[in-house]
Amino acid sequence: DTGVSQDPRHKITKRGQNVTFRCDPISEHNRLYWYRQTLGQGPEFLTYFQNEAQLEKSRLLSDRFSAERPKGSFSTLEIQRTEQGDSAMYLCAMTTGSNTEAFFGQGTRLTVV
Amino acid sequence: GQQVMQIPQYQHVQEGEDFTTYCNSSTTLSNIQWYKQRPGGHPVFLIQLVKSGEVKKQKRLTFQFGEAKKNSSLHITATQTTDVGTYFCAGRSGYSTLTFGKGTMLLVSP
Repeated sequence: DTGVSQDPRHKITKRGQNVTFRCDPISEHNRLYWYRQTLGQGPEFLTYFQNEAQLEKSRLLSDRFSAERPKGSFSTLEIQRTEQGDSAMYLCAMTTGSNTEAFFGQGTRLTVV
Repeated sequence: GQQVMQIPQYQHVQEGEDFTTYCNSSTTLSNIQWYKQRPGGHPVFLIQLVKSGEVKKQKRLTFQFGEAKKNSSLHITATQTTDVGTYFCAGRSGYSTLTFGKGTMLLVSP
C-alpha cells in the first residue's frame, strides 16, 4: 500500500459523457502526477502539480482534459466528451521532490463504450 | 522529445533461468529508475541509479547504469515465479519529468 488512493477503481462510460477521477495523496508528498497507461505501454505523463500549482502539461493532454489540485491536497482529473481512445488506466503518483521515487496509486481503469 | 526504449518487449523463461532487460535513452539522463508492475497492479519503485557506471544489487536483481548515462540494464539471476510482471525503466533528463519505456513483460514457468 503506497498510501495514494484513487477513486473510482473502475469506470465505464458512454462516449460523449464527462468523467472525473480523484487522487488522494500521501500528505507529506508535495508533487502529484497524472499518467495514462494503455495495454502494452508504459505510463505516459499527462500533467503534474507542485502543491496547488500545475507546473507542466503534456502535449498528450487535449483541451478535453483538465486537472485541479485545490489547496495542494487531493487532485481531480476530468475528461469531457469522452472518446473511445480515452479508454486507459489513469494513474496518480506522488514524489517528495524532482529526483525521488514515485509512489503510484492503484489507478482508475476507464472504459469508454 | 526524450524517448526511452526497452528490449525485449516480452520474455518467457523457465524458473531458474536468468533474465535481462535493456533500456536505451535518446538523450543523456540525469538518473534512471526501475519499476515493476505485477499483472493487474500498479508500478512499484525498485531502484534509482544516478552515477555514470553505477551498479546496484538487490538480492537476485542487478541494475547497471551505462558510462554515458544513456542506457541501463536489469538482470535477474535464477528467476522465480514471483518475478513475473512487467519491468519498466524510467529516465529523467535535467528537470524534466520521468519518461517511461514500454516495459519488458517477464513470464516465468515453474
